[in-house]
Amino acid sequence: DAGVIQSPRHEVTEMGQEVTLRCKPISGHDYLFWYRQTMMRGLELLIYFNNNVPIDDSGMPEDRFSAKMPNASFSTLKIQPSEPRDSAVYFCASRKSINGQPQHFGDGTRLSIL
Amino acid sequence: GENVEQHPSTLSVQEGDSAVIKCTYSDSASNYFPWYKQELGKRPQLIIDIRSNVGEKKDQRIAVTLNKTAKHFSLHITETQPEDSAVYFCAASIGNQFYFGTGTSLTVIP
Repeated sequence: DAGVIQSPRHEVTEMGQEVTLRCKPISGHDYLFWYRQTMMRGLELLIYFNNNVPIDDSGMPEDRFSAKMPNASFSTLKIQPSEPRDSAVYFCASRKSINGQPQHFGDGTRLSIL
Repeated sequence: GENVEQHPSTLSVQEGDSAVIKCTYSDSASNYFPWYKQELGKRPQLIIDIRSNVGEKKDQRIAVTLNKTAKHFSLHITETQPEDSAVYFCAASIGNQFYFGTGTSLTVIP
């Protein structure tokens, strides 16, 4: 099992640019979560999907953020336009839809907006 | 919604001593409680979990206890080692929603 795979691992870009983060969940997992982690705010849930359908996006900070899951093995988180305050580590996690199953996290994308 | 509080935010112990991290939750419907360890620059990794029908679970030097009546659960690390230094997160789960604590930064002093 390769685990949750995220790309890129690091991204540095200038403000105003579009940023796309990618995630491949563990095969057979039907829930996918996007988190943002900062020192100030800790681990924040942005959005999660069940069977490729967005269930709760109340954590998405503003309209500049969007997420999609076109199929069971791929999801993207897009920021357009990016701002310096978006700098953070973004984690993707997945789990099976059985009660009492943990979330498994990817290695994260460290995003720096200059 | 659920509210998870975690204490302390930082903890320093001497190598070989025990460390205890405590979490409280607000919703009695929470039924699954995982603990994650996050080393610097790495992803959170599950280290132990407990379900609401169990009061205690142990895995080598790590144990978790759950008090459903008081709505609190704790992580116990015995015989701490420098490699235990990390940030530890508790979480409470209702259905498919996970609610994370704010983390405890544990430092084990050699």
